Amino acid sequence: GENVEQHPSTLSVQEGDSAVIKCTYSDSASNYFPWYKQELGKRPQLIIDIRSNVGEKKDQRIAVTLNKTAKHFSLHITETQPEDSAVYFCAMNTGNQFYFGTGTSLTVIP
Amino acid sequence: DAGVTQSPTHLIKTRGQQVTLRCSPKSGHDTVSWYQQALGQGPQFIFQYYEEEERQRGNFPDRFSGHQFPNYSSELNVNALLLGDSALYLCASSLDKGSVGQPQHFGDGTRLSIL
Repeated sequence: GENVEQHPSTLSVQEGDSAVIKCTYSDSASNYFPWYKQELGKRPQLIIDIRSNVGEKKDQRIAVTLNKTAKHFSLHITETQPEDSAVYFCAMNTGNQFYFGTGTSLTVIP
Repeated sequence: DAGVTQSPTHLIKTRGQQVTLRCSPKSGHDTVSWYQQALGQGPQFIFQYYEEEERQRGNFPDRFSGHQFPNYSSELNVNALLLGDSALYLCASSLDKGSVGQPQHFGDGTRLSIL
């Protein structure tokens, strides 16, 4: 089946610094790439997504970039805050099936 | 605007038993997907229901089955439970717009423990 590799698995940053999480995939037919934030004991929450016809999308402090040629996409969080601490998952679709990465545990140190 | 709701929140079963989990999609959504999330892992796609039929299925055995009702709510059934079925079961809903890859919104999940 499809494989999504996500790195790093853990990430610690100082408050105010930037955080970058990267995912790679293999299915060139994928056309939708969402990112989810999951706090401990809570539901995954969609925070940003991008479609294959777009290279970059930004929403306040969060941005996602997509390189379809290299088959990787990245989440960028700027000016990190303690409330950004959570597990972040990338995902991509093959048809109606979504594949999720293994998650990145982000800790923002005050 | 009601989001995705799942019931029950927690469930304890023993090996060999059967379980039914329930999901009501977000208002306005017509598609329901089910996921299994083991501790420390990303969600794994079980299957997706649309127009009361299973539209796509992940790599899960036939012990996992589902149903979608005319009001778009859905059930996940798991038979002959194994210890390895212990996980958080998440339901996600979306609106079909005639093309693949639509935003999914998740419920809080059902935590299933098998003894």
